[in-house]
Amino acid sequence: GENVEQHPSTLSVQEGDSAVIKCTYSDSASNYFPWYKQELGKRPQLIIDIRSNVGEKKDQRIAVTLNKTAKHFSLHITETQPEDSAVYFCAATLEYGNKLVFGAGTILRVKS
Amino acid sequence: EPEVTQTPSHQVTQMGQEVILRCVPISNHLYFYWYRQILGQKVEFLVSFYNNEISEKSEIFDDQFSVERPDGSNFTLKIRSTKLEDSAMYFCASRQGQKLFFGSGTQLSVL
Repeated sequence: GENVEQHPSTLSVQEGDSAVIKCTYSDSASNYFPWYKQELGKRPQLIIDIRSNVGEKKDQRIAVTLNKTAKHFSLHITETQPEDSAVYFCAATLEYGNKLVFGAGTILRVKS
Repeated sequence: EPEVTQTPSHQVTQMGQEVILRCVPISNHLYFYWYRQILGQKVEFLVSFYNNEISEKSEIFDDQFSVERPDGSNFTLKIRSTKLEDSAMYFCASRQGQKLFFGSGTQLSVL
């Protein structure tokens, strides 16, 4: 089955700096890659996603890149703010209706 | 904006007792899921449900677990005889296209 690896496990950045979180997946048939943000004690919230027919997607300060050949995808947050502090999870799924397989999560701390 | 709702938010139970966790998925969604998250760990898949039957389940989802959609709106997870290691946050989710939307979770504590 699919396996998703995520790095780093923790990331501290200064406010205003960029943050990059990387994930790799094992199943080349996976075609949908969402990113979730989870604040302490709250539900995971979808922040951005990308499909395998696209190499990059951007939404304001957040962007995701996908390299299908290498089977990895990354989350980029620019101009980080204290409210970006949270746990970020990447995930991958094979096809419509199938389960999402999550990475282990990255604790992002933005220091002001 | 429609949300997945879950009740209760917290559930404390004694080991060996049965618990039922309840969820109301977003109304026009067709796929429903239960995930769990042990404190500080990743979100783990338990089971998916489509067209009134289980479509996939993980090895965590053993005979002690069951799911049901008793009516047109509710989706429940039952744990028949809880164990200490069942203590976790349980998230219900429903899916539109490939986007998964999570409920606010039920924190289950087994004593």
